Amino acid sequence: QKEVEQDPGPLSVPEGAIVSLNCTYSNSAFQYFMWYRQYSRKGPELLMYTYSSGNKEDGRFTAQVDKSSKYISLFIRDSQPSDSATYLCAMSAGMGGKLIFGQGTELSVKP
Amino acid sequence: GAVVSQHPSWVICKSGTSVKIECRSLDFQATTMFWYRQFPKQSLMLMATSNEGSKATYEQGVEKDKFLINHASLTLSTLTVTSAHPEDSSFYICSASLSDRGTVGYTFGSGTRLTVV
Repeated sequence: QKEVEQDPGPLSVPEGAIVSLNCTYSNSAFQYFMWYRQYSRKGPELLMYTYSSGNKEDGRFTAQVDKSSKYISLFIRDSQPSDSATYLCAMSAGMGGKLIFGQGTELSVKP
Repeated sequence: GAVVSQHPSWVICKSGTSVKIECRSLDFQATTMFWYRQFPKQSLMLMATSNEGSKATYEQGVEKDKFLINHASLTLSTLTVTSAHPEDSSFYICSASLSDRGTVGYTFGSGTRLTVV
């Protein structure tokens, strides 16, 4: 069993839709949870991070962490074609510790 | 701020030769850097963790004699793929922890596409 599981998709939605991306994990030591966006053959860029359980909102993006269920989510509201990319969840046990990634979900937002 | 510059962005080499990839933190000091490889349509797989001034810690299954990592200064880490073979062709990405800046998160280089022919 992988430490972090993420549905690879691909996921295709119409412009304006709400997108839900999810990851599950098995290591209860994870405390820091992040979402990265990666365009084709570029380095990942950090979208959001959350420490421990809870919700965090930044513009059209909302991250949720449920440690009791070992489940994290990223919601994208009013999705745009420019949101088309691969979204990777990632988590670590400590600040600055090694980061474990999910497989990534390929998202396509159609105009 | 917090930029990691990775070079080269792509390289083609002959089988049996060695290739060096550099990652520099431009505006901060990075005590810890991480090296990943990524195959097409797959996630980033951690290869090793490098700490300035000490030996790198390799993940299980990663050949330390093949993937030489050097982190001689707080702003530079290098990955050398020795005696490269076609199966080493992949996308290699470095990352630096931002914990030295008191910030949660990591910043990534732009990646190096290695093709071994």
